[in-house]
Amino acid sequence: ETGVTQTPRHLVMGMTNKKSLKCEQHLGHNAMYWYKQSAKKPLELMFVYSLEERVENNSVPSRFSPECPNSSHLFLHLHTLQPEDSALYLCASSQDRFPRGYTFGSGTRLTVV
Amino acid sequence: SQQGEEDPQALSIQEGENATMNCSYKTSINNLQWYRQNSGRGLVHLILIRSNEREKHSGRLRVTLDTSKKSSSLLITASRAADTASYFCATEWRLTGGGNKLTFGTGTQLKVEL
Repeated sequence: ETGVTQTPRHLVMGMTNKKSLKCEQHLGHNAMYWYKQSAKKPLELMFVYSLEERVENNSVPSRFSPECPNSSHLFLHLHTLQPEDSALYLCASSQDRFPRGYTFGSGTRLTVV
Repeated sequence: SQQGEEDPQALSIQEGENATMNCSYKTSINNLQWYRQNSGRGLVHLILIRSNEREKHSGRLRVTLDTSKKSSSLLITASRAADTASYFCATEWRLTGGGNKLTFGTGTQLKVEL
């Protein structure tokens, strides 16, 4: 257990479904991130939240909608996804004023059918 | 793009040997980090080296950073079968709106055989 918990671990959804991924950290970190990891591709940064404000949206399609209600929780709301969105979605947190590295969750393996 | 490139893409060695992985990046950075990922799992932070540092050690890990060449290397000494994993370098810099951005390289798949 890393201190960053992601649920669910696995998710299969149809293209017309709406689902949400959840990330929770109790490390006292003030920044949280969503990354996408597809087969044969480098990790792609999707969103950055610092002090609960979104500070980076890395040209992510609007079918992905992040939400950060407080410094401990981060959500990724999904709707009308495409099969190419199937990937491992990783959440991470850090203390951005005193860089010591990011702590990652175990990820949600998403399959869009 | 700030994305790093790693070399080699894959490395296979015998237990007890040393493994060296290299990383190159494109623009100025605050720090460079190395991570490890076991198959299909989350990433684990190994070591961070700041832009004003040249070398850092942590256990069997040794990291070097050459900012003039925009490159870094990770050395794992006396490798073990349990070191089998993918290793990624990542570069971090400050966003103008606050917060930091960490961008990953393509990774090196290391296999340590008994």
